[in-house]
Amino acid sequence: DTAVSQTPKYLVTQMGNDKSIKCEQNLGHDTMYWYKQDSKKFLKIMFSYNNKELIINETVPNRFSPKSPDKAHLNLHINSLELGDSAVYFCASGSGVRETQYFGPGTRLLVL
Amino acid sequence: DQQVKQNSPSLSVQEGRISILNCDYTNSMFDYFLWYKKYPAEGPTFLISISSIKDKNEDGRFTVFLNKSAKHLSLHIVPSQPGDSAVYFCAASGLGTYKYIFGTGTRLKVLA
Repeated sequence: DTAVSQTPKYLVTQMGNDKSIKCEQNLGHDTMYWYKQDSKKFLKIMFSYNNKELIINETVPNRFSPKSPDKAHLNLHINSLELGDSAVYFCASGSGVRETQYFGPGTRLLVL
Repeated sequence: DQQVKQNSPSLSVQEGRISILNCDYTNSMFDYFLWYKKYPAEGPTFLISISSIKDKNEDGRFTVFLNKSAKHLSLHIVPSQPGDSAVYFCAASGLGTYKYIFGTGTRLKVLA
């Protein structure tokens, strides 16, 4: 009964491909997030949805598009993958402002 | 523009001694702070938090201290245990936002 799950755990793909990462939480939280941890270990927020509405959209290339079909799911689709997209992508969920965010195990993306 | 900084990338401590991890921030609008612990190949897990109305919060072996005038917080772990070996991230949030800004992490190694 994993609280925040992500699939796949590892993703190796060629430049130019399109890929998706899925995230699901069973904590009943209203807010979900996508973070990117790059090679320098910076953990940076990319997007956040609250009750299926986009509330945070950082300076992220348009090739990245989040989709929230319901408040338990937040998927990340990446078009035309580039070498610089190689990173670990973490999904998280929380119940609101000033509330603890719970993280998934991460998806390790390697673009060749 | 790194608003949350952890200037020590690594720290080694003997088992049973105190571990002190430091974090500095630059944005005076931050009013909520958290510490997360991360093991390899896992997502960050919440450890302890503190609101700016307090200067100390304690939970078992873990204590977080906040010095608002210095824009500095620290995490004390007493006594340190080998299982505490992990990367520790501090994070900050401000004024009712959902967004957390993370530091780059400090790798703690507790030597048996």
